[in-house]
Amino acid sequence: EAQVTQNPRYLITVTGKKLTVTCSQNMNHEYMSWYRQDPGLGLRQIYYSMNVEVTDKGDVPEGYKVSRKEKRNFPLILESPSPNQTSLYFCASSSKAYWGGGEAFFGQGTRLTVV
Amino acid sequence: EDKVVQSPLSLVVHEGDTVTLNCSYEVTNFRSLLWYKQEKKAPTFLFMLTSSGIEKKSGRLSSILDKKELFSILNITATQTGDSAVYLCAVESGAGSYQLTFGKGTKLSVIP
Repeated sequence: EAQVTQNPRYLITVTGKKLTVTCSQNMNHEYMSWYRQDPGLGLRQIYYSMNVEVTDKGDVPEGYKVSRKEKRNFPLILESPSPNQTSLYFCASSSKAYWGGGEAFFGQGTRLTVV
Repeated sequence: EDKVVQSPLSLVVHEGDTVTLNCSYEVTNFRSLLWYKQEKKAPTFLFMLTSSGIEKKSGRLSSILDKKELFSILNITATQTGDSAVYLCAVESGAGSYQLTFGKGTKLSVIP
């Protein structure tokens, strides 16, 4: 089954403790992206990757890092989480170098709480 | 800065009503406009629009784009309680980059 898998689904952590949210897709997609979703602000793009070893900043990259060492994986790293990073995070992937191909898939989301 | 604005932010209708959701945008290097439906989980793809005036249709849902006036509408006819969700509009833009900017969404509630 074609899917984007995020882990963990829920995470409560303390300020400053490094964490990684994993994202894996089994569709051989080149394009992957991370979003955060906050009430009243909608979905905002954090980082995206157009292929292995190619990443770029989205609208809200501060406080986050990503890596794309393999095509299938695109982990989101919070080196020193802060409470303002409490949010719902989505990973997404697409087979084409544009989102309009109708083949964009979203993961189920990771709800992160930083206390 | 790219901007996508959806209206209304929230809407409550009765089953059987027809609704129109709006999405306006200001972006550089427009590539496509996408509509997603988000229930209590990940967004699911509805439509992709790239050309003005061509209606996309899927069952009771339809959408059209006006690239001159920079907006799109999503219509849902004969609404059902299963249509209750947040509808997201996103615009893909960029020359050489592939940014996707989302609006804040329209929360639709369909009551029996």
